[in-house]
Amino acid sequence: DADVTQTPRNRITKTGKRIMLECSQTKGHDRMYWYRQDPGLGLRLIYYSFDVKDINKGEISDGYSVSRQAQAKFSLSLESAIPNQTALYFCATSDFNRPYEQYFGPGTRLTVT
Amino acid sequence: GQQLNQSPQSMFIQEGEDVSMNCTSSSIFNTWLWYKQDPGEGPVLLIALYKAGELTSNGRLTAQFGITRKDSFLNISASIPSDVGIYFCAGPGDSNYQLIWGAGTKLIIKP
Repeated sequence: DADVTQTPRNRITKTGKRIMLECSQTKGHDRMYWYRQDPGLGLRLIYYSFDVKDINKGEISDGYSVSRQAQAKFSLSLESAIPNQTALYFCATSDFNRPYEQYFGPGTRLTVT
Repeated sequence: GQQLNQSPQSMFIQEGEDVSMNCTSSSIFNTWLWYKQDPGEGPVLLIALYKAGELTSNGRLTAQFGITRKDSFLNISASIPSDVGIYFCAGPGDSNYQLIWGAGTKLIIKP
């Protein structure tokens, strides 16, 4: 079984709709991250969490919110989706002792029409 | 802010050829990481480097942490079809154990 799972894998939604992307991990890591990937731009950090009570904004947090429901679960919400949020979204985890060695889920392809 | 410049953007190679790519930073790093992303998948960690001058191998892949601490290199020897994908370099951001990423090198094997 995959260590980091994301649901859904694909989603098409309309402008203005609220949408939630979910991430679960079985690696036992304390740190979790949400990234966005656009073609030719690499990965950009949206939010990250060091534990359930510690959530931080990343480079591009505007228009997004997150919830860390448990150590193993970290969800990303788009309160009112807009077309330029069409992208690939990845969840990642890392351990306290090796924070830069991040392990990624398979991604969610989101299309906002 | 910090920037990573990765080159080349893409490479067309023949199966069996050796591959070299590099990444440069606008500031000094104490860690360099290399990831590979297959189509439709998330990035997978290949090699992590923690010391200037360090040379680390993972099978046919070898990565080096540049002496200046502003660059890193990844070499792939005797490429095979499953090597196709996008290779990313990454390093520490300005604060709080964030990573910043290069734009990637896309490896394509000519038929």
